Amino acid sequence: EAGVAQSPRYKIIEKRQSVAFWCNPISGHATLYWYQQILGQGPKLLIQFQNNGVVDDSQLPKDRFSAERLKGVDSTLKIQPAKLEDSAVYLCASSFYAFWGVDEKLFFGSGTQLSVL
Amino acid sequence: AQTVTQSQPEMSVQEAETVTLSCTYDTSESDYYLFWYKQPPSRQMILVIRQEAYKQQNATENRFSVNFQKAAKSFSLKISDSQLGDAAMYFCAYRSRGSSNTGKLIFGQGTTLQVKP
Repeated sequence: EAGVAQSPRYKIIEKRQSVAFWCNPISGHATLYWYQQILGQGPKLLIQFQNNGVVDDSQLPKDRFSAERLKGVDSTLKIQPAKLEDSAVYLCASSFYAFWGVDEKLFFGSGTQLSVL
Repeated sequence: AQTVTQSQPEMSVQEAETVTLSCTYDTSESDYYLFWYKQPPSRQMILVIRQEAYKQQNATENRFSVNFQKAAKSFSLKISDSQLGDAAMYFCAYRSRGSSNTGKLIFGQGTTLQVKP
């Protein structure tokens, strides 16, 4: 079984530039998550999709971050314009179930490490 | 809102010895899950062990076991017979259960475990 694929693995940009990250979840997984992990901190949920609909984006800085999951499969997360504090690892995760109350297992990708200079 | 706190930024253990990582959490919910995840340098989150709050029995997975104290809101991880491959960042995480469950994980700040040969 293929895992959660993310690209690129590393990205270095200057502040005020734009950047996009891509995630391809495990085939058939209904739920997709984007987490931001700043150095020395635990991952924080940015946005959660159920199929192609947004379930939770309460911690997404919407003035600069956007995300989409077209056709309920792969997803892109964009930052425009980037700030120094956006330097972090961006993790994507997916799970099979879309029904609350079911104890689904989350599968994580290896993340994209973003450095904003 | 739920919070998870890991008060040990770094821990070290001698190979073959036992080490305990601490975690406390805060919640007003009575039904939830607790997890320990391992994050090696590859950055991919690996599930180590999980505990359902309604179960009094502490979870065990081979060399890994937990001490779950629901009243004290404490959830520690014990690693026995430590191996060099156990060196990684360890995260404690919380997830609601039942109607409050959206699959969202809330992570602690992490503990870096060093294993000395």
